[in-house]
Amino acid sequence: AQSVAQPEDQVNVAEGNPLTVKCTYSVSGNPYLFWYVQYPNRGLQFLLKYITGDNLVKGSYGFEAEFNKSQTSFHLKKPSALVSDSALYFCAVRVMNSGGYQKVTFGIGTKLQVIP
Amino acid sequence: GAGVSQSPRYKVAKRGQDVALRCDPISGHVSLFWYQQALGQGPEFLTYFQNEAQLDKSGLPSDRFFAERPEGSVSTLKIQRTQQEDSAVYLCASSLPPTRGDEKLFFGSGTQLSVL
Repeated sequence: AQSVAQPEDQVNVAEGNPLTVKCTYSVSGNPYLFWYVQYPNRGLQFLLKYITGDNLVKGSYGFEAEFNKSQTSFHLKKPSALVSDSALYFCAVRVMNSGGYQKVTFGIGTKLQVIP
Repeated sequence: GAGVSQSPRYKVAKRGQDVALRCDPISGHVSLFWYQQALGQGPEFLTYFQNEAQLDKSGLPSDRFFAERPEGSVSTLKIQRTQQEDSAVYLCASSLPPTRGDEKLFFGSGTQLSVL
């Protein structure tokens, strides 16, 4: 069974500082990894994805994520945090089978608080 | 439409009442997912459709939950004899045909169900 772990309920960072939101996964087969962001009273929005290739992927709003196969991690990063980045961040893993069936599993989310 | 549309936005039900939640996906999106998000938790998978076929309903918590997508577009999630533990935000997401599995999900704003 596939699973995603986000070990931190909340991450606090000062504006202008680099931020990291952690994610580890467990899946058999090739994982497709995603980060989504949820602002208050809004639906989840796609940030970035890792499929294959370069382990560092870049996404929306200046975010990037680093895939580490040996550590089964996919941490979200940003060099300089903005107050407007404060939101709930979800890591997700997607698995496809040969029959086209797919399942997307989400972590419990990490609340990012950027302090002015 | 421009995005995934869900209705109603809020629903208050008395315990034992039946409810129906609607999802109108992005035109052309073959894949449709339903998720349940309890307060402070990540989205929990309920069910997955590919066109009109319900390929996975393993996440439906009980036989009181039923989902359909008869014409491969609009989907309805029905909950019979609602219980207080059904109170949550129900999210619908759609995506393009799963050619590689890396297609991002587009989420609606959700239906917040409160069972009294």
